[in-house]
Amino acid sequence: AQSVTQPDIHITVSEGASLELRCNYSYGATPYLFWYVQSPGQGLQLLLKYFSGDTLVQGIKGFEAEFKRSQSSFNLRKPSVHWSDAAEYFCAVGASMNYGGATNKLIFGTGTLLAVQP
Amino acid sequence: DTGVSQDPRHKITKRGQNVTFRCDPISEHNRLYWYRQTLGQGPEFLTYFQNEAQLEKSRLLSDRFSAERPKGSFSTLEIQRTEQGDSAMYLCASSPLTYTEAFFGQGTRLTVV
Repeated sequence: AQSVTQPDIHITVSEGASLELRCNYSYGATPYLFWYVQSPGQGLQLLLKYFSGDTLVQGIKGFEAEFKRSQSSFNLRKPSVHWSDAAEYFCAVGASMNYGGATNKLIFGTGTLLAVQP
Repeated sequence: DTGVSQDPRHKITKRGQNVTFRCDPISEHNRLYWYRQTLGQGPEFLTYFQNEAQLEKSRLLSDRFSAERPKGSFSTLEIQRTEQGDSAMYLCASSPLTYTEAFFGQGTRLTVV
């Protein structure tokens, strides 16, 4: 069964420090991978996605992620964190549905809550 | 294009009451999804529409839940005889037929007291 694991429930970093959020997935085929960010009481905003091609993906707000098939990982990174990055981050894998066709529904990890210290 | 819109944003209801939520997807998006998110968890898939057809339902969607998308545009999610365990954020998302990403609404926060 498809699944996503985010091993870090809560991470605190200092403003200006680098950040890496971990994500491991389980999926039989080549996965479609996503990172979303959620501010309190809000919906989800897409940071970046990987479908194929270059395994290093650039996203919005200075984030990037690297797909490593051998490690089944898709870790999110940012070289210098800003206070406004404090939020919850979700990794997701796109899973095909029973009737076939393109990837549709998303399977999410449990999220990593990022706190940023001044 | 104003994005995915959900109404209401917040709903407090008494146990046993029925509630209905509305989702207006991005216009011309054929695909529409409902997810549920409980505190401290990631969103969980509930159901999927392609145009007006409901093509998949999660086992999470008990008999008390029903969703419709009558004209292939907006969708409603109804919960009958609400229970405290139904308290959650209900998220709607839409995407074009050629899937690239899902665009999420801001969600409806349901509290059952």
